[in-house]
Amino acid sequence: AQKITQTQPGMFVQEKEAVTLDCTYDTSDQSYGLFWYKQPSSGEMIFLIYQGSYDEQNATEGRYSLNFQKARKSANLVISASQLGDSAMYFCAMRINNAGNMLTFGGGTRLMVKP
Amino acid sequence: NAGVTQTPKFQVLKTGQSMTLQCAQDMNHNSMYWYRQDPGMGLRLIYYSASEGTTDKGEVPNGYNVSRLNKREFSLRLESAAPSQTSVYFCASSDAGELFFGEGSRLTVL
Repeated sequence: AQKITQTQPGMFVQEKEAVTLDCTYDTSDQSYGLFWYKQPSSGEMIFLIYQGSYDEQNATEGRYSLNFQKARKSANLVISASQLGDSAMYFCAMRINNAGNMLTFGGGTRLMVKP
Repeated sequence: NAGVTQTPKFQVLKTGQSMTLQCAQDMNHNSMYWYRQDPGMGLRLIYYSASEGTTDKGEVPNGYNVSRLNKREFSLRLESAAPSQTSVYFCASSDAGELFFGEGSRLTVL
């Protein structure tokens, strides 16, 4: 069974600095996708970025980039130029492509941006 | 732009009562999901439906049943609610891409 691990329960970052949120995963499947979601205090789940297991380049979406290291089974989220509005819970998730599209989530990291 | 709509948004039940959470999506997605989120934790999959007419258990299915009524609708039923089922419930839908989530339903079982 697949497993997603986020080892940082909480992190602080100074406004305008970059921050890396860690995510490691465990699967024996070769075809999978990795996702990051943001959950602000209001509770909604906001999709941020996606990386496919066969994608050779790291995914980027605006200030978000995914540092994908396949051999190490890690998919860290990098947020550049942090803003106060980035304060939220961040969840890493994995989908095994032959397993009915179900996503398995990690336990999350709470990011707090300091002014 | 309705996306994924869940009802009700809040519900308080007594132990042993039953209720159904409703979910509908208007994006013509094949797959639909029910997750629960306990305080300070990630989302755990209860049940999912890869396509109309099929349902499968996720990580934490005990105490729940689901119905994929049609392509749009996927309901979650608690037959006899227990305090351990106090949680926030999220419905989601997708095709091959990311999951689109509803706003969540906060359920309290006394």
